Amino acid sequence: GAVVSQHPSRVICKSGTSVKIECRSLDFQATTMFWYRQFPKQSLMLMATSNEGSKATYEQGVEKDKFLINHASLTLSTLTVTSAHPEDSSFYICSASSGRVNTEAFFGQGTRLTVV
Amino acid sequence: TQLLEQSPQFLSIQEGENLTVYCNSSSVFSSLQWYRQEPGEGPVLLVTVVTGGEVKKLKRLTFQFGDARKDSSLHITAAQPGDTGLYLCAGARVGTGNQFYFGTGTSLTVIP
Repeated sequence: GAVVSQHPSRVICKSGTSVKIECRSLDFQATTMFWYRQFPKQSLMLMATSNEGSKATYEQGVEKDKFLINHASLTLSTLTVTSAHPEDSSFYICSASSGRVNTEAFFGQGTRLTVV
Repeated sequence: TQLLEQSPQFLSIQEGENLTVYCNSSSVFSSLQWYRQEPGEGPVLLVTVVTGGEVKKLKRLTFQFGDARKDSSLHITAAQPGDTGLYLCAGARVGTGNQFYFGTGTSLTVIP
C-alpha cells in the first residue's frame, strides 16, 4: 500500500504553546486528507476533512480556530494545535486519499501529543 | 453520538475459539472498511466491502456487508494470540466520497 508519514510521532509541549503536526503522502497525490483524534482505548473521531487548496471542513464540535488545518499541496497537510492545554493531550492521526470514490485511505503512524 | 456502534466493546477469549464482532448503524454507507489497530500505531486496513450482501474472506477472517449496507460483521475462526488488537469498522456515507466515520471499536484479547 501507499505510504503516509506523520511527524512528529511524539511531542510534549507546555500549556499555552502551539504545536504543528505534519502529514505527508510519500508516493501518491493526496487530494483529500483527514484528521482524527483518539483518546485511550477509544475509537477515532473525525475532526476535519481537508481538500488540497481549499479550506478544511470541520466536524461539529471541533473548534476551527483551535485546530488549524492547512492542505497547501497534494502531498502535505498540517494540523496546528494552538494555545494547547492539557485537555488537548491525545493521539492525533491523519489519513490521506487520492480522492476517488471507494479507494483506500492510508493512515499515518499517529502523533502522541502531551501538553504539560 | 457515533454513527457506527460496535459490539461487543471488549472481548477476551481463549486461543482457538471463534468470535463475531458487529458494526451497526441506521445510516447507509457506500462502502465499509475494517481495521485493526495496535497500541500507539495507526489503524491498518483489513478489508473494504462495497456491495450489499458482500462476503469477503481473509484467511481466518470473514467479513460481511449487510444487504441494506447499514451494518457489517467480522467473524474470526480459531482465534490466535496474534489477533489481539482493537478492531474498528469505518463507513463512508453515501455521497461523501472517502470521508470515513469510525465505529466505537472492539478490543479483542486472545489468551494463549
